[in-house]
Amino acid sequence: AQSVTQPDIHITVSEGASLELRCNYSYGATPYLFWYVQSPGQGLQLLLKYFSGDTLVQGIKGFEAEFKRSQSSFNLRKPSVHWSDAAEYFCAVDDPYNAGNMLTFGGGTRLMVKP
Amino acid sequence: NAGVTQTPKFQVLKTGQSMTLQCAQDMNHEYMSWYRQDPGMGLRLIHYSVGAGITDQGEVPNGYNVSRSTTEDFPLRLLSAAPSQTSVYFCASMEGNYGYTFGSGTRLTVV
Repeated sequence: AQSVTQPDIHITVSEGASLELRCNYSYGATPYLFWYVQSPGQGLQLLLKYFSGDTLVQGIKGFEAEFKRSQSSFNLRKPSVHWSDAAEYFCAVDDPYNAGNMLTFGGGTRLMVKP
Repeated sequence: NAGVTQTPKFQVLKTGQSMTLQCAQDMNHEYMSWYRQDPGMGLRLIHYSVGAGITDQGEVPNGYNVSRSTTEDFPLRLLSAAPSQTSVYFCASMEGNYGYTFGSGTRLTVV
């Protein structure tokens, strides 16, 4: 069965600093990979997704993620964090051969931004 | 506005009561699903549907029922509420390119 690990439960960064959120997955081949963001009291919004091809994926709000097959990782990055980025971030994987039916989420990383 | 609508937003139940969480989408998506969100556990799939008349179990289906009589609606029924079902519930629908659209959630407390 596929699984997703987000090792950092909480991360605090200063506004303007760079950000990297870690995501590791367990799956027999290359899965579909996603990052979602959840603001307090809201549903989840898709930031970016990776299916195949270029391993560096650009998303909304200035985020990007890099797929590294050798490390089974899909880390999310942003060069300069804004206070409005404070939220919870979820990495998710999906089985390309049964896509959509078993989207599996990591436990989430809560990002706090210091002024 | 197009999207996924969940009702109610908040609900308190007594142990043993039953209720239905409503989910409706107006995007003509075939795929819909229900997740529960608990602290530190991310979202876990309860049930999903790939089209009207077709449903299947996800990771944590016990204590929940679903049906899909129309493309638009996918209600989630709690048969006999238990404190372990205290959670935030999200409904989602999916586009063909795997872009999930989530509702804003239902916060359920079972006392």
